[in-house]
Amino acid sequence: EVQLVQSGAEVKKPGESLKISCKGSGYSFTSYWIGWVRQMPGKGLEWMGIIYPGDSDTRYSPSFQGQVTISADKSISTAYLQWSSLKASDTAMYYCARRGGSSSADAFDIWGQGTMVTVSS
Amino acid sequence: DIQMTQSPSSVSASVGDRVTITCRASQGISSWLAWYQQKPGKAPKLLIYAASSLQSGVPSRFSGSGSGTDFTLTISSLQPEDFATYYCQQANSFPLTFGQGTKVEIK
Repeated sequence: EVQLVQSGAEVKKPGESLKISCKGSGYSFTSYWIGWVRQMPGKGLEWMGIIYPGDSDTRYSPSFQGQVTISADKSISTAYLQWSSLKASDTAMYYCARRGGSSSADAFDIWGQGTMVTVSS
Repeated sequence: DIQMTQSPSSVSASVGDRVTITCRASQGISSWLAWYQQKPGKAPKLLIYAASSLQSGVPSRFSGSGSGTDFTLTISSLQPEDFATYYCQQANSFPLTFGQGTKVEIK
């Protein structure tokens, strides 16, 4: 079964660092882009950025450039999203999703279950 | 960046109704458009890709159309399980962008 499994919920304080993960299985992890999507409470979907694990090519939304870092470790089929200094406004659900390539015209065909990040003092 | 604008932002409908949601891109994206369904507390689910191709396992009452800048998602006969929020997303170029969402509510 093709799936993405994300790390568990996190509760952090402002200023702390955080790295959340997204592990792919059931497919060739290095052959598909993995994107990250933010959903703030009660709000819509925001595309943050994307990485191609095969060569680590990474692109960011201008809204998130410099605010987060996306990386991947292809040896363990895992992508990451990290913050160096969290803010309360980073409180949100974060989803990873596989960009499906030519079989789905580059739509996000597989989604992780989401990781809830809560930042509060 | 390509902006995606959905309308309406919400729609109230009854079971059996035909529902149409539109999505407009700020510049031409050919057919590089996807539609997703999201239910409360769940991850989004791909419904339509390439503007009109039905994702495997998605009921045929869902259909998509359009190209260039104007796109439509249609639910031909609304079912109880279809009450959810729907998002369009352009897959034409980075940065990828989503519409703001359309909530389909029970009338």
